[in-house]
Amino acid sequence: AQSVTQLGSHVSVSEGALVLLRCNYSSSVPPYLFWYVQYPNQGLQLLLKYTTGATLVKGINGFEAEFKKSETSFHLTKPSAHMSDAAEYFCAVSTTNFGNEKLTFGTGTRLTIIP
Amino acid sequence: NAGVTQTPKFRVLKTGQSMTLLCAQDMNHEYMYWYRQDPGMGLRLIHYSVGEGTTAKGEVPDGYNVSRLKKQNFLLGLESAAPSQTSVYFCASSYSGFAKETQYFGPGTRLLVL
Repeated sequence: AQSVTQLGSHVSVSEGALVLLRCNYSSSVPPYLFWYVQYPNQGLQLLLKYTTGATLVKGINGFEAEFKKSETSFHLTKPSAHMSDAAEYFCAVSTTNFGNEKLTFGTGTRLTIIP
Repeated sequence: NAGVTQTPKFRVLKTGQSMTLLCAQDMNHEYMYWYRQDPGMGLRLIHYSVGEGTTAKGEVPDGYNVSRLKKQNFLLGLESAAPSQTSVYFCASSYSGFAKETQYFGPGTRLLVL
């Protein structure tokens, strides 16, 4: 079985400061990892994903995440927060478990940007 | 391309009433999904479909039924609504069911059951 833990349901950072949203996963087989973002009153959209290859993944809007197998982590970072980054962020995991390739979501982290 | 659309955007039901939520996608995707989103619980899969004419149960299927008569449409039905079904419902689609595929989400339907 696979699972995702997002540490911190709410994170506040000042505009221009580093954004760090934490995600740890559990999986018995190599995982595929995703970050989705949900802006207010909208559906989720993909920020970035790790499938294979380079462990540092770059996404949209200046976000990036690093897959660390030894730490079972996939933390999301952005060097300088912008007001438009205020949203809810979901980490998700899936695995190649044929016939059961489901996407499992974390509980989400709401990011607030302080002017 | 409109992507994934959902109707209605918001609905209020009384306990015991029925309703159908409609999801449509114009990306020719094979797979479609229905999720519910509740505070502090993330998204949970209700039902999904791997192609036209197919449906399968997800993590929380009780109290819901689905149909996929056309490839582009995926309907979610509540036969007898209960207050526990108050939630935000999201439809999503993907090109295939491979684990690394991106899912594309609709804007959601907010349902309140009184």
